[in-house]
Amino acid sequence: QVQLVESGGGLVKPGGSLRLSCAASGFTFSDYYMSWIRQAPGKGLEWVSYISSSGSTIYYADSVKGRFTISRDNAKNSLYLQMNSLRAEDTAVYYCARRRVRGAYLDYWGQGTLVTVSS
Amino acid sequence: QSALTQPASVSGSPGQSITISCTGTSSDVGSYNLVSWYQQHPGKAPKLMIYEVSKRPSGVSNRFSGSKSGNTASLTISGLQAEDEADYYCCSYAGSSTLFGGGTKLTVL
Repeated sequence: QVQLVESGGGLVKPGGSLRLSCAASGFTFSDYYMSWIRQAPGKGLEWVSYISSSGSTIYYADSVKGRFTISRDNAKNSLYLQMNSLRAEDTAVYYCARRRVRGAYLDYWGQGTLVTVSS
Repeated sequence: QSALTQPASVSGSPGQSITISCTGTSSDVGSYNLVSWYQQHPGKAPKLMIYEVSKRPSGVSNRFSGSKSGNTASLTISGLQAEDEADYYCCSYAGSSTLFGGGTKLTVL
């Protein structure tokens, strides 16, 4: 069965960096687009970024552009999110999700990892 | 990249039907039949309920249905059940971006 397991969250100071990982299993990872979505405490969902199956196409939300970098390693069945210049407003649970190209929907989600940006 | 507009809350009694609206613009909801809906219970990850406006993934009850008219998409839940109480989010493709609605809290009275 499809499984997505995020890791790497934690407490970081404003201006700091963090790298999130998402380990995928149960499907051919290299065939699928992947996305990161976040949810601030008590708030709604916010799309962060997505990456094509080969990694050649990448898009970011304006709120993270220039600070976050999405990447993937198809040999390791893993998705990453490098987060730099972190701000308090980046505090959220970060979910990775599998994105269907045809339909642009997110059919499987991980359980999320919490990132807290605070001094 | 403005969020899609959803009502903050809706409620209904068991057995009733409710509809949640999701309003976007001609650049997102109105331009593409690529609206999806997600259900989220407290402390859990979101779950896909509807994709491509009105299609249901395998395993999702046929009590859930979706539609779209112009710039507004809708999710209808018929025969409300206690386990339907959750937050619901709409989502639309918007070219190089993806937009979520602010979420609607469904209360089953």
